[in-house]
Amino acid sequence: DSGVTQTPKHLITATGQRVTLRCSPRSGDLSVYWYQQSLDQGLQFLIQYYNGEERAKGNILERFSAQQFPDLHSELNLSSLELGDSALYFCASSVGGTGGIWVGEQFFGPGTRLTVL
Amino acid sequence: GEDVEQSLFLSVREGDSSVINCTYTDSSSTYLYWYKQEPGAGLQLLTYIFSNMDMKQDQRLTVLLNKKDKHLSLRIADTQTGDSAIYFCAETNDYKLSFGAGTTVTVRA
Repeated sequence: DSGVTQTPKHLITATGQRVTLRCSPRSGDLSVYWYQQSLDQGLQFLIQYYNGEERAKGNILERFSAQQFPDLHSELNLSSLELGDSALYFCASSVGGTGGIWVGEQFFGPGTRLTVL
Repeated sequence: GEDVEQSLFLSVREGDSSVINCTYTDSSSTYLYWYKQEPGAGLQLLTYIFSNMDMKQDQRLTVLLNKKDKHLSLRIADTQTGDSAIYFCAETNDYKLSFGAGTTVTVRA
C-alpha cells in the first residue's frame, strides 16, 4: 500500500459525459501527478501540482483539467468524453517538486479504470 | 512514448539473470528510472540513476547507464517468479517525464 488513494476504482460512462477522478496523496506529500495508461498511448504524464499550483504539464488534452485543493487532494476532470479516453488513470505523489517534476520517488495510487461506452 | 524505447517482451528461466534494455533520445535527461507494474496494480519505483552516474547497484538490481549511447539497462540477478511483471523505463529533464512502452517479463520454472 503506497498511501496514495484514488476514487473511484472503476468508472463506466458514455461518450460526451464529464467525470471527476479524485486522489489523496500520502500524508506529508505536497506534489500530485496524474498519468494516463492506455493500450494505444502507453503510460503518459498528464500534469503535476505542487502545493496547490500547477508545476508541469505533459500530454494533457484541453478537455481535461485538474486542480489541487488546500488539503492537498487533487481532482482530474475529464469532459466531452470520447471512446479513446478509456484508460487507467493513475495519481502519484511525492514530497518535493517545487522546481518541477520531482526527481526522487513518486508513490503511485492503484488507479481509476475509466471505460467510455 | 517515442522518446523512450524498450523491447516488449522478455522470457527468463527462474534463477537466471534478466536484462532489460532501454534507449532514450533526450540528451538533457537528468534522471532515469525503472518502475515495476504487477497485474492490476500501480507503478512501483524500483530504482533511479542520476545522469552523471554509470552504474547503480541495489541488492539484486544493477542499473547501467551509457550516456553517450543514451542506453539504460536493468539487470535482475537470480530472477524469481515474483519478478514477473511489466518493467517501465522512464526519463525526466525536470519538466517532462517520458515512459517507455514497458517490457513484459515472464519468469518460467
